[in-house]
Amino acid sequence: GQNIDQPTEMTATEGAIVQINCTYQTSGFNGLFWYQQHAGEAPTFLSYNVLDGLEEKGRFSSFLSRSKGYSYLLLKELQMKDSASYLCAALDSNYQLIWGAGTKLIIKP
Amino acid sequence: ETGVTQTPRHLVMGMTNKKSLKCEQHLGHNAMYWYKQSAKKPLELMFVYSLEERVENNSVPSRFSPECPNSSHLFLHLHTLQPEDSALYLCASSQRTSGSGTDTQYFGPGTRLTVL
Repeated sequence: GQNIDQPTEMTATEGAIVQINCTYQTSGFNGLFWYQQHAGEAPTFLSYNVLDGLEEKGRFSSFLSRSKGYSYLLLKELQMKDSASYLCAALDSNYQLIWGAGTKLIIKP
Repeated sequence: ETGVTQTPRHLVMGMTNKKSLKCEQHLGHNAMYWYKQSAKKPLELMFVYSLEERVENNSVPSRFSPECPNSSHLFLHLHTLQPEDSALYLCASSQRTSGSGTDTQYFGPGTRLTVL
């Protein structure tokens, strides 16, 4: 079966760095997405990786290892507004998105 | 952010009611999606309208019925729902190019549905 695993909840301190991991098992692979979802709001696109390596976008970076079926989202200089759920989703061989259940990130002052 | 709008934002209905959820996208996209989001569960794709085709998740009960009159509007008609259908229903849109599905989906804020 197809599966995405990510931690249910993480806590970090304002100003610190946090890494949210995601492992995937899919029938084929056409890339991996990260979305941010604040409580009661729409998921918003953060990043898309299809090649191995790290992609940086301001305070947020996303990493992919296709051979390991692994990705992470790295958030630097954490701010209180980064408190949200972070959703990992992989595209399978049929270009269907397989979603994880999301990681709730709690930022403490 | 007003790219994808959904109404109503909140809906409470009884099991015998009939209601409809509405979604509108202002992004010029050619694909629209309905998702169900339950607490601590992955997003569940219900229906896709893409390039004039409809794709549905076979596990979605027939009490959910989608309608897509044009590329900008999407409806989800609800009838005789069950309490376990209570969830956040999200609409999304994307620009699909034929033969490729690596398009980014843009989501609306969702309708929080409670079935009594």
